Amino acid sequence: NAGVTQTPKFQVLKTGQSMTLQCAQDMNHEYMSWYRQDPGMGLRLIHYSVGAGITDQGEVPNGYNVSRSTTEDFPLRLLSAAPSQTSVYFCASSFSGTSGAKNIQYFGAGTRLSVL
Amino acid sequence: TQLLEQSPQFLSIQEGENLTVYCNSSSVFSSLQWYRQEPGEGPVLLVTVVTGGEVKKLKRLTFQFGDARKDSSLHITAAQPGDTGLYLCAGATGSGYALNFGKGTSLLVTP
Repeated sequence: NAGVTQTPKFQVLKTGQSMTLQCAQDMNHEYMSWYRQDPGMGLRLIHYSVGAGITDQGEVPNGYNVSRSTTEDFPLRLLSAAPSQTSVYFCASSFSGTSGAKNIQYFGAGTRLSVL
Repeated sequence: TQLLEQSPQFLSIQEGENLTVYCNSSSVFSSLQWYRQEPGEGPVLLVTVVTGGEVKKLKRLTFQFGDARKDSSLHITAAQPGDTGLYLCAGATGSGYALNFGKGTSLLVTP
C-alpha cells in the first residue's frame, strides 16, 4: 500500500547544482502536484499536472521544471539550485470525481533539501 | 497570495482543555479541507466540507464550514497529547484541482 513515494528523503546541494526530485504514485490518480513548505509560509504550489502530458505553473514556479510522461510519475527538476530553494518539498496526488472529493490530496513524506 | 488566514498561529494547551482553530478568507471556496501534519511527515486529510453551514464530527474534532463558504473552524474537545501537530486548512476554488493552503496552526498539547 505505497501511496505517494518521494525520493530522496534528504539532499544537500551546492549552489548551481541541478537535481531531480522523484515522485511516484500507485493509485492511478490523474492529478499530481508539487508544493514547498517553508517556516511561517505554509504550503505553496510549485507546479501541477491534471494528466499525462499536461502540466501548469502554480504560485512559485521559478527555478523549477516538471514533466508528466506517465500517470504514475511526476519528477521535479531544479535547474540551478539556489539557497532560496532550501525547503521541504511535498508531492501530492488526487483522483477525479465529485467536486469535493477530487480535491483530496494524498501527500508523500517529503524531501528535505538544503542548498549551500 | 495567501487566500486563507489561519489563527492562532501557535497554541500550547494542557491535556483536557478545549480549543478552536479558525480559517478565514474573503474568497468563496467550492470545498474546504483540514489536514494534520506531524513532524517529518506529509499532511494527512482529516475532513472535507462542501456545503455552506455543514458540520462534521470526527470523534473529539468538530469541523464547521461557514454559511457563505468563506471560512471554517476546527474545535477540539478535551485535547490529548496525541492531537499535537500542525493543522492546515485548504480551500478549492471553482472546479479546479489546485488547493490554496493556510499557513497552519501549530498545536502542542502537554500532559
